[in-house]
Amino acid sequence: DAGITQSPRHKVTETGTPVTLRCHQTENHRYMYWYRQDPGHGLRLIHYSYGVKDTDKGEVSDGYSVSRSKTEDFLLTLESATSSQTSVYFCAISSAVATNEKLFFGSGTQLSVL
Amino acid sequence: GEDVEQSLFLSVREGDSSVINCTYTDSSSTYLYWYKQEPGAGLQLLTYIFSNMDMKQDQRLTVLLNKKDKHLSLRIADTQTGDSAIYFCAERRGYSTLTFGKGTMLLVSP
Repeated sequence: DAGITQSPRHKVTETGTPVTLRCHQTENHRYMYWYRQDPGHGLRLIHYSYGVKDTDKGEVSDGYSVSRSKTEDFLLTLESATSSQTSVYFCAISSAVATNEKLFFGSGTQLSVL
Repeated sequence: GEDVEQSLFLSVREGDSSVINCTYTDSSSTYLYWYKQEPGAGLQLLTYIFSNMDMKQDQRLTVLLNKKDKHLSLRIADTQTGDSAIYFCAERRGYSTLTFGKGTMLLVSP
């Protein structure tokens, strides 16, 4: 998966608890993204980063925050998990936005909020 | 934003051709993409087409683009059981990130 590691691969948590998902890349790509995948909705962008400490919101950012302190790591935090955040979360990376943006995806994290 | 539309399901027999259709929304989209997702895995880029092209062929894959109708299709020749997966169409709108369709599940039976 193009040098992208997501951790954990699976997580079960309780409503109201904080959760952090990690994405680590070895490609030195500038752009990193967090998507969630849900039946009937396809993939929806949560947040993305265009450099260290540079992040922006996607279409479904409510309830999520992100941080990028190093090029290789992009963290997604659910401050207080809710059942509606049960989903499969994918990290993606890209080396270019201005021209032909090709995204490379990690293997995903299955998160269940009970 | 407006949705990228795809049919949800397609079933074909091994050896037949498969055609997966997509309708996108932005006439100024520069690149259009097809991604494949196998069970339990992330999305994998299959192919893409630049908006000034009508067709692109890559081995068994043929992408057709009709800009007037904002219609994109992916044809897989000689479909194999290993082609069973979910296929996502995606568009790039200007300088924004990619917007994905909901995916088409392709089931190939022997």
